[in-house]
Amino acid sequence: DVKVTQSSRYLVKRTGEKVFLECVQDMDHENMFWYRQDPGLGLRLIYFSYDVKMKEKGDIPEGYSVSREKKERFSLILESASTNQTSMYLCAGNRGRSLGNSPLHFGNGTRLTVT
Amino acid sequence: AQKVTQAQTEISVVEKEDVTLDCVYETRDTTYYLFWYKQPPSGELVFLIRRNSFDEQNEISGRYSWNFQKSTSSFNFTITASQVVDSAVYFCALSEVISNFGNEKLTFGTGTRLTIIP
Repeated sequence: DVKVTQSSRYLVKRTGEKVFLECVQDMDHENMFWYRQDPGLGLRLIYFSYDVKMKEKGDIPEGYSVSREKKERFSLILESASTNQTSMYLCAGNRGRSLGNSPLHFGNGTRLTVT
Repeated sequence: AQKVTQAQTEISVVEKEDVTLDCVYETRDTTYYLFWYKQPPSGELVFLIRRNSFDEQNEISGRYSWNFQKSTSSFNFTITASQVVDSAVYFCALSEVISNFGNEKLTFGTGTRLTIIP
């Protein structure tokens, strides 16, 4: 079975801190995605990557960056955390180009609180 | 741009009742995929179904069924004889091509919170 693992379930950080959210997959996924989930807004795409060292902006990239040095690891970075980045962050991955061949598989999520 | 609308924010039904979750989408793509995901209280999104835009056959899996109607751009989800374990947030999603190589992303609706009352 597909396994996408997010290293932290809950995080509490202070405004201005640099925050790293880690995601690891063990299913040889080429594609990896970071979404944030907020009540009433659903899931919104922050960044994605479909190859090592490759990254593309999603719909709401402001205030975030990502790193993909190895195929299995995709990190989301909040350069200077702000309270409006308090949210649930979900990592996902899939194999191949088309979602028709391989649906997205999600991790358990990281609930980040910025105080 | 792609858009997915789940107009029902919250639904509550008594156990064993049938319930339908609505999903309406907008896309310019001629080929696309539609999905339903379930998010139980534990938080992980669980894949339920994927439907190709060329395949309008309805699908049934146990107590779950899906009705895809391209003419109305809808992909509705029905749970028959609901159970307490069906309580969750359900998301409908639509694929979108995002690169010249054919890579795709998902656009999600805002979700419907379903509560099954024992």
